[in-house]
Amino acid sequence: EAGVAQSPRYKIIEKRQSVAFWCNPISGHATLYWYQQILGQGPKLLIQFQNNGVVDDSQLPKDRFSAERLKGVDSTLKIQPAKLEDSAVYLCASSLAPTNEKLFFGSGTQLSVL
Amino acid sequence: GNSVTQMEGPVTLSEEAFLTINCTYTATGYPSLFWYVQYPGEGLQLLLKATKADDKGSNKGFEATYRKETTSFHLEKGSVQVSDSAVYFCALSTTNSGYALNFGKGTSLLVTP
Repeated sequence: EAGVAQSPRYKIIEKRQSVAFWCNPISGHATLYWYQQILGQGPKLLIQFQNNGVVDDSQLPKDRFSAERLKGVDSTLKIQPAKLEDSAVYLCASSLAPTNEKLFFGSGTQLSVL
Repeated sequence: GNSVTQMEGPVTLSEEAFLTINCTYTATGYPSLFWYVQYPGEGLQLLLKATKADDKGSNKGFEATYRKETTSFHLEKGSVQVSDSAVYFCALSTTNSGYALNFGKGTSLLVTP
């Protein structure tokens, strides 16, 4: 079974630039999550999708972050413009359904903002 | 709100030593509790879980018991191996959070031969 795919693996940008991350969840998984993991901290939920609808985006900084999952499969997370404090690993995870509490995580995209 | 507190790391142990990583939580409602592990260079993966009070989750020799009275879910292993070196995350989810995971800060474990 293929896992959760994320790209790119690493990204280095300057502050005020924009960046996008891509995630392809496990086939058949209806629920998709984006987490932000700052060095030395646990992952923090940014947004949760159920198919192509947003379930929870209360912790997404909407002035600069956006995410979409147009066809209910793969997803894109964008930051525009980036700030220094956005340097983190961005993790994508998926599960069969919201009530299926086993999440499968991708390897993440490590973002460095200079 | 929901939160998870883990013991600070790093934890360094010799092979075959006993491991305990403490985890306590605050939650509204009745949370499910989890331990996730992140091996070097790999993604987070579920280690074990417990969904109600007094449940014991176990996997790969690791155990954790859901203690509602002390709001704790401590991770234990009787004899650690070098291959157990990783970062361990305690987490919870609740129905009123849409079942999304709320993680602790993680505890790094290094096991030496």
